[in-house]
Amino acid sequence: SQQGEEDPQALSIQEGENATMNCSYKTSINNLQWYRQNSGRGLVHLILIRSNEREKHSGRLRVTLDTSKKSSSLLITASRAADTASYFCATDANDMRFGAGTRLTVKP
Amino acid sequence: DTEVTQTPKHLVMGMTNKKSLKCEQHMGHRAMYWYKQKAKKPPELMFVYSYEKLSINESVPSRFSPECPNSSLLNLHLHALQPEDSALYLCASSQDPGGWSEQYFGPGTRLTVT
Repeated sequence: SQQGEEDPQALSIQEGENATMNCSYKTSINNLQWYRQNSGRGLVHLILIRSNEREKHSGRLRVTLDTSKKSSSLLITASRAADTASYFCATDANDMRFGAGTRLTVKP
Repeated sequence: DTEVTQTPKHLVMGMTNKKSLKCEQHMGHRAMYWYKQKAKKPPELMFVYSYEKLSINESVPSRFSPECPNSSLLNLHLHALQPEDSALYLCASSQDPGGWSEQYFGPGTRLTVT
């Protein structure tokens, strides 16, 4: 069963703009992870944030976690056409559960 | 080596066939996973092996049979599948089980059941 729910389901932006995706979950977690998937391929891990962390950065990625609201956000700054992919959040809660995902399209 | 390999890349099988999917990692990871992913849907967890023992079976039909011959290999044996089992099957591994560490995914096997 699914744990996280992302919104929006789809997002289309121009190159250079920022993209923000949100994830909400239902149960207590130890950590939350974000993954990217290019069309029909395996998933690539982007960032892991632990339940006692509030914000984490990795290059152009910024992830926040609000455990009181059971939500997380992924911000991609200065987007590129190569960022076009589906983005999933995943929570552990004993085993990994993926959200429905956000399909991001970055237009050149 | 941070790669998870999966073979075959594509598989077409009839409903009476028996086939196997293979997954391999050489990162010394102690947990390995099978996921099923339908088009435009998130991956759904099927099985988790932790220290070569099956620790989670997400109520998957018995026509899917996992096997972990050693710490580097994971197989998924398929028998008498249905057309609705057509999907992308993803293998992953992680250093620690239970979602404590990132998962490394293979490229997947695209399965078509005819």
